[in-house]
Amino acid sequence: DTGVSQNPRHKITKRGQNVTFRCDPISEHNRLYWYRQTLGQGPEFLTYFQNEAQLEKSRLLSDRFSAERPKGSFSTLEIQRTEQGDSAMYLCASSFLNSFTDTQYFGPGTRLTVL
Amino acid sequence: DQQVKQNSPSLSVQEGRISILNCDYTNSMFDYFLWYKKYPAEGPTFLISISSIKDKNEDGRFTVFLNKSAKHLSLHIVPSQPGDSAVYFCAASENSGNTPLVFGKGTRLSVIA
Repeated sequence: DTGVSQNPRHKITKRGQNVTFRCDPISEHNRLYWYRQTLGQGPEFLTYFQNEAQLEKSRLLSDRFSAERPKGSFSTLEIQRTEQGDSAMYLCASSFLNSFTDTQYFGPGTRLTVL
Repeated sequence: DQQVKQNSPSLSVQEGRISILNCDYTNSMFDYFLWYKKYPAEGPTFLISISSIKDKNEDGRFTVFLNKSAKHLSLHIVPSQPGDSAVYFCAASENSGNTPLVFGKGTRLSVIA
């Protein structure tokens, strides 16, 4: 088991450009979460999936953000028309939903810098 | 409003001594609590968790205590080691963890040799 992987690890873009991040969860994990972390803050929830269904989106997720998990495996997070305020670490986590407790395991994150 | 609060931004402890990190929460619906450790430029690493049906959970050098009436939990690390130096995040969720996590702002622990 290789853990949660995220690509790219770093992304520098100019304001107004579109960016896409990918997350590959731990095999067999049916839940996948996206969080965003800015300096001095804890991770903040953005959205999550159970298999391919997107179950919830935070109000932090503006219309410029979209996420998919088309086959219930990897997920992508796209940000359109990036703004400087989008600069943050984007974290992906996965878990296996069972009848007891649901521990989320995080990937290394994608650091986005918008110039 | 912050539902999970870590009121100490930083903590310094001597190697070999006990580190105690604290966390308070306001949402009485939270029933599953986790501690994560984070090094710079890496994602959070899961350390230990506790369900609200327990008041203590232990794993090696790490013990988490939960006081539901006070809405308070703490992480004890004994003995502290230099490799424990990192930012520690407290997180909470509802429905036995089957909802997104709510994180505190973190406490930076420095273990001094």
